[in-house]
Amino acid sequence: AQSVTQLDSQVPVFEEAPVELRCNYSSSVSVYLFWYVQYPNQGLQLLLKYLSGSTLVKGINGFEAEFNKSQTSFHLRKPSVHISDTAEYFCAVKSPSNTGKLIFGQGTTLQVKP
Amino acid sequence: GAVVSQHPSRVICKSGTSVKIECRSLDFQATTMFWYRQFPKQSLMLMATSNEGSKATYEQGVEKDKFLINHASLTLSTLTVTSAHPEDSSFYICSATEDRSEQYFGPGTRLTVT
Repeated sequence: AQSVTQLDSQVPVFEEAPVELRCNYSSSVSVYLFWYVQYPNQGLQLLLKYLSGSTLVKGINGFEAEFNKSQTSFHLRKPSVHISDTAEYFCAVKSPSNTGKLIFGQGTTLQVKP
Repeated sequence: GAVVSQHPSRVICKSGTSVKIECRSLDFQATTMFWYRQFPKQSLMLMATSNEGSKATYEQGVEKDKFLINHASLTLSTLTVTSAHPEDSSFYICSATEDRSEQYFGPGTRLTVT
């Protein structure tokens, strides 16, 4: 069975500092990996995804993530955060099989302080 | 492109009544739609997978007679919460996919049962 673990429930950081949100997954098959952002009382917006190819994936809003198969990780990074990046971030995994189901991590609250 | 809408965005209903939530894909045909439930400060929990023209597949522990899902067309799925109780109060989010490679999320519906 697949699972996703986001290692930090909350990450406080000062504005313009770099940030890393950690995500580890477990799966016995190859997977697709996603990072989503959720602002209060809103749905999810896709930040970036890894399907295949280059292990460094660039997304929207200056975020990037690196797929590390040996460590089964897909950590999200941004070199300099803004106040507007304050939100909930979810890592998710999907098997390339036919169901299309996503398995979500528990979420990480990014709090950017001035 | 790839916009998903939900209606209503907020609904308050009395205990014992039923409430219907609509999920529409506005600019693509959604062969599959997913319904999630999210409690405050928690991750998304998949409730069911809905394929157009067939019965929904419910996740373990989700009461199919309480949460009725209909996917009558390629652009519309509905979730009806029957005989709602205060414990059904939650944030309900739908997503839609054309080819199961990527899900596009709606903005969510906040249900409050009084």
